[in-house]
Amino acid sequence: DVKVTQSSRYLVKRTGEKVFLECVQDMDHENMFWYRQDPGLGLRLIYFSYDVKMKEKGDIPEGYSVSREKKERFSLILESASTNQTSMYLCASSTSGRYTGELFFGEGSRLTVL
Amino acid sequence: DQQVKQNSPSLSVQEGRISILNCDYTNSMFDYFLWYKKYPAEGPTFLISISSIKDKNEDGRFTVFLNKSAKHLSLHIVPSQPGDSAVYFCAASAPYDYKLSFGAGTTVTVRA
Repeated sequence: DVKVTQSSRYLVKRTGEKVFLECVQDMDHENMFWYRQDPGLGLRLIYFSYDVKMKEKGDIPEGYSVSREKKERFSLILESASTNQTSMYLCASSTSGRYTGELFFGEGSRLTVL
Repeated sequence: DQQVKQNSPSLSVQEGRISILNCDYTNSMFDYFLWYKKYPAEGPTFLISISSIKDKNEDGRFTVFLNKSAKHLSLHIVPSQPGDSAVYFCAASAPYDYKLSFGAGTTVTVRA
């Protein structure tokens, strides 16, 4: 069964802490994405990567960075967490091609910053 | 500015009736459209898609209609079932664009 696995389902962090969210996919997909989901705003793209060590900013990259050292792993880093980063974070992967096509999502990581 | 808009945040429908979810987009470069379904505490899952060369795509109880001139698409669920209660996201992409742009979502509640 194909899978995107996010390391933590629920996290509680304090303002100013460094936060790592890890994501692993087992489908050999080229593309990986980090979205955040907020009520009334839908899914907004933070960063994506189309190849190892490659990354592109999405719509809301401020306050975040990413790392993709291996094809199957894509990490989201909050250098100094703030309360407005409290959200549901969703990792996804897809194959390359004519269309972005179907995204496969992980179960999400609910982050609360106090 | 959101390029994909779902203007109805919620929809309540009786079991067995039709659910119609609407989505509008502003980017004329979009040529591939998808619907995702999300249950609480789970990631979204792909439901159905349509490319701009078609105006309709059907998969079982789910049909997506695309009106390119109006930049509008809709998802029809017939008949609606209690298990269809979820948040539905409309998404779109442009050719060779890596990413999808999502709408804000519509929460569907199917009443018994």
